[in-house]
Amino acid sequence: DGGITQSPKYLFRKEGQNVTLSCEQNLNHDAMYWYRQDPGQGLRLIYYSQIVNDFQKGDIAEGYSVSREKKESFPLTVTSAQKNPTAFYLCASSILAKNIQYFGAGTRLSVL
Amino acid sequence: DQQVKQNSPSLSVQEGRISILNCDYTNSMFDYFLWYKKYPAEGPTFLISISSIKDKNEDGRFTVFLNKSAKHLSLHIVPSQPGDSAVYFCAASPNYGGSQGNLIFGKGTKLSVKP
Repeated sequence: DGGITQSPKYLFRKEGQNVTLSCEQNLNHDAMYWYRQDPGQGLRLIYYSQIVNDFQKGDIAEGYSVSREKKESFPLTVTSAQKNPTAFYLCASSILAKNIQYFGAGTRLSVL
Repeated sequence: DQQVKQNSPSLSVQEGRISILNCDYTNSMFDYFLWYKKYPAEGPTFLISISSIKDKNEDGRFTVFLNKSAKHLSLHIVPSQPGDSAVYFCAASPNYGGSQGNLIFGKGTKLSVKP
């Protein structure tokens, strides 16, 4: 079954802690994306990667970091520098140069 | 400044009638537009798209209309069904430079279809 898997579904962060959200895809897509959704808001782009070992900042990259060591995987780390991390995080992928992005089920991050 | 605007946060429609969701954009460099449907606590699901070279695209009950001169697009759902109740996001893609393939989303419109 092809798709995008995000884990965990729910995550809690203590103050000062870094947490990592997992995103794996088996669609053989080149491009991967991370978005953040807040209540009543649209999706805002955090980071994106169009090829392995390369990634670019989106609109709200501060306090986040990513890596792209494998085509299938694009983990997002929410660092302690992100002062308002509570949100719904969505990972997506697309065929490079095609615009349709396919989304995972999301991870809801809360602060303890 | 918002480049993609969905000015109606919510819309309520009777089952069987037409639902019309609207979206406006400001950047004339957008050349591809998409609609996504999202249920609570789930990822968005792609519904339908349209290229700027067209003014209409139809897929079953869903039709998207694009008016480039007005920088406006709309999604029509006919007939509306209770299962269509969800948040609908409009998204636009710029086709220039390193941003090719990136999507800019509106804030969404919550559609409620009442039986």
